[in-house]
Amino acid sequence: GQQVMQIPQYQHVQEGEDFTTYCNSSTTLSNIQWYKQRPGGHPVFLIQLVKSGEVKKQKRLTFQFGEAKKNSSLHITATQTTDVGTYFCAGADAGNNRKLIWGLGTSLGVNP
Amino acid sequence: DGGITQSPKYLFRKEGQNVTLSCEQNLNHDAMYWYRQDPGQGLRLIYYSQIVNDFQKGDIAEGYSVSREKKESFPLTVTSAQKNPTAFYLCASSIERGGNEQFFGPGTRLTVL
Repeated sequence: GQQVMQIPQYQHVQEGEDFTTYCNSSTTLSNIQWYKQRPGGHPVFLIQLVKSGEVKKQKRLTFQFGEAKKNSSLHITATQTTDVGTYFCAGADAGNNRKLIWGLGTSLGVNP
Repeated sequence: DGGITQSPKYLFRKEGQNVTLSCEQNLNHDAMYWYRQDPGQGLRLIYYSQIVNDFQKGDIAEGYSVSREKKESFPLTVTSAQKNPTAFYLCASSIERGGNEQFFGPGTRLTVL
């Protein structure tokens, strides 16, 4: 079935280091969304990418959508303790009524 | 303020009892969703609704039931048939079903003793 694989599952970094999480889909996506869930909280929408090869930035966060619209990445430059949480990607399947398929998330810890 | 509310935040029930979790939104969204999240796991879709009086099973619907009598409300009942009901339950809504941004409520943490 349709899957969105997300790696790594966990990562701990020292404050100031960079961090990247990757998503790979088994099918072509019409768009991909990224969400952040703080510990004990609920997922909050960060961004949506639609176009092939699209790159978007939000301050220290850089989001990319692959040329084939099957993979995506989120890169955080110079992490801060406020970046702690789990980052989820969710891809809208291009063929299946645009059903949203969720990755399992990457849990980020930041040591001060 | 527009948003999604879920209540209660924490819920305890005895095994064998049905329990209903509430979800209300005032965003005027057509689509609503229920997800289950277990520790270290992603989000698994239980049920979704695209329009009033219509809903569809998600990936893990067994042991759950829903209703959508009003656009604003999408309650979830966890029945005694659900084998492992202890989990964090999240309700979400979007303008319409499909690849649209989803807005989440704060969640209900259900513990079955």
